[in-house]
Amino acid sequence: AQSVTQLGSHVSVSEGALVLLRCNYSSSVPPYLFWYVQYPNQGLQLLLKYTSAATLVKGINGFEAEFKKSETSFHLTKPSAHMSDAAEYFCAVSWPGRLAFGKGNQVVVIP
Amino acid sequence: NAGVTQTPKFRVLKTGQSMTLLCAQDMNHEYMYWYRQDPGMGLRLIHYSVGEGTTAKGEVPDGYNVSRLKKQNFLLGLESAAPSQTSVYFCASSQPEDGYYGYTFGSGTRLTVV
Repeated sequence: AQSVTQLGSHVSVSEGALVLLRCNYSSSVPPYLFWYVQYPNQGLQLLLKYTSAATLVKGINGFEAEFKKSETSFHLTKPSAHMSDAAEYFCAVSWPGRLAFGKGNQVVVIP
Repeated sequence: NAGVTQTPKFRVLKTGQSMTLLCAQDMNHEYMYWYRQDPGMGLRLIHYSVGEGTTAKGEVPDGYNVSRLKKQNFLLGLESAAPSQTSVYFCASSQPEDGYYGYTFGSGTRLTVV
């Protein structure tokens, strides 16, 4: 079955510094990949998705992710962290009828 | 607004009580899902449905039952609640081309079993 791995449950980043969240996937077929964000006490919001149209995907709030088949990775980046980026981020892989999530990264932004 | 609506938003149950969580979507999606979210565990699939009248087990189905009598509704039942079922429950829906169009999530139900 398809799966994703996110390392490092808690990630601390200084305000203005690069945000990098790593996601590696396992899939026997070309995957559809997603990044979701969850703010405290809220539901899931789609940040961006990879659907094979382009390997570099731009999402909301200045985030982007690059699909690298050779590395089976779909890492999420943002050049400059803002205090409002403090949230939990989930990588997910999709196949017909199923969506599997990683365990998430809790991002803390340090002033 | 179109989307996925979950009721209730909050609930406290005593051990052994039963309850039903309701998920309703108005996008005519074929597929519907129930997930639970626990700290450090991400979201885990409980049950899902690929169409009206169908249900299937997900990753963590024990202690839960589901029904999809109408296409727009997906019910999650707890027959005898246990403290281990304290969690945040999310419902989602999608179309068969779900990999491309993505999933729509409800805002969640926070359940505490005491």
